[in-house]
Amino acid sequence: NAGVTQTPKFQVLKTGQSMTLQCAQDMNHEYMSWYRQDPGMGLRLIHYSVGAGITDQGEVPNGYNVSRSTTEDFPLRLLSAAPSQTSVYFCASRLADTSYEQYFGPGTRLTVT
Amino acid sequence: GENVEQHPSTLSVQEGDSAVIKCTYSDSASNYFPWYKQELGKRPQLIIDIRSNVGEKKDQRIAVTLNKTAKHFSLHITETQPEDSAVYFCAASTSYGKLTFGQGTILTVHP
Repeated sequence: NAGVTQTPKFQVLKTGQSMTLQCAQDMNHEYMSWYRQDPGMGLRLIHYSVGAGITDQGEVPNGYNVSRSTTEDFPLRLLSAAPSQTSVYFCASRLADTSYEQYFGPGTRLTVT
Repeated sequence: GENVEQHPSTLSVQEGDSAVIKCTYSDSASNYFPWYKQELGKRPQLIIDIRSNVGEKKDQRIAVTLNKTAKHFSLHITETQPEDSAVYFCAASTSYGKLTFGQGTILTVHP
């Protein structure tokens, strides 16, 4: 198993550009989430999904869109990038059972200039 | 929503000493409390977790305690080693993989 994979690893955008951060998992996990991590802070939940076709907002959803058309993929879209979105983005997944353990991807470091 | 407070923000110990990091949470419905270790440039790694129906859990040099009444939980690392140096995060979750993280503790273990 590759686990949770994220692409790209690094990205530089100009203000106003749009892009999609990719996240995929091959563990057949129902739950997937996106977090952002800013310097000196813990991770904050952006959006999450409990299954294909079902998504909901987390703590900091503004400026981001998600969709979940398959169990494996959970892309995060930045509609119009802003410098405040400069951060490290982590995708995570877990089974919809009582194990609760989340598996994190390696992260994408995004810089918006 | 849930709010998790973590203290201290930095912790410096000598090799062999114990380290304790404390967290409080606000939502009494939270039932899962993981601790993560994050090294520079890496993803968070789960080191130990505890459910709300358990008061204490231990794994070798690492232990976690939970006080549901007071809504706080703590990470205890004994016999610290330089390789324990990292940022540690606590988190709380009610369901569906929605984790709320604390602000992190930078642990430095001096040889």
